[in-house]
Amino acid sequence: EAQVTQNPRYLITVTGKKLTVTCSQNMNHEYMSWYRQDPGLGLRQIYYSMNVEVTDKGDVPEGYKVSRKEKRNFPLILESPSPNQTSLYFCASSLDRLLTEAFFGQGTRLTVV
Amino acid sequence: QKEVEQDPGPLSVPEGAIVSLNCTYSNSAFQYFMWYRQYSRKGPELLMYTYSSGNKEDGRFTAQVDKSSKYISLFIRDSQPSDSATYLCAMSDAGGTSYGKLTFGQGTILTVHP
Repeated sequence: EAQVTQNPRYLITVTGKKLTVTCSQNMNHEYMSWYRQDPGLGLRQIYYSMNVEVTDKGDVPEGYKVSRKEKRNFPLILESPSPNQTSLYFCASSLDRLLTEAFFGQGTRLTVV
Repeated sequence: QKEVEQDPGPLSVPEGAIVSLNCTYSNSAFQYFMWYRQYSRKGPELLMYTYSSGNKEDGRFTAQVDKSSKYISLFIRDSQPSDSATYLCAMSDAGGTSYGKLTFGQGTILTVHP
């Protein structure tokens, strides 16, 4: 079954404690990206990757890091989380740059206290 | 001003009604227009996409794009309670300044009551 898997689904952490949200896809997609979803703001892109070792900033990259060492994995790293990073996070993958058929993970609800 | 504007609703309709969901946008470089459905506590899932202007139909769903007005619509015929969800429009310019990015509307919350 084609899918994008994120872990964990729910996470409560404290300010400043480094965390990683994992994302893995089994469709051999080149494109992967991270979004955050906030009420009234919709989905906003954090980072994206066009292929292994190729990443670039989206609209709201401050406070986040990513890496793409393997095609299937695209982890999101928060080196020093702050309360304004409390949000619902989605990883997505797409076969090509047209982005016409993006597959999304189930989401990670992060709370930073 | 946001690049993509979508009325957040909420929209409540009776079962069987025709639903119209709309987005406007400002970036004339957008070429691909997508509609996603998001159920509560789930990730968005693609309903359909359209390239440039025109209509596209898939079962009870019809997507329309009017590039001259920078306006897109999704129509749902014979709406069902199972259609209750948040509907998100999304757009890409497939290699222009927003390379690698989908730009989303805020999403419209739809409830179809029996």
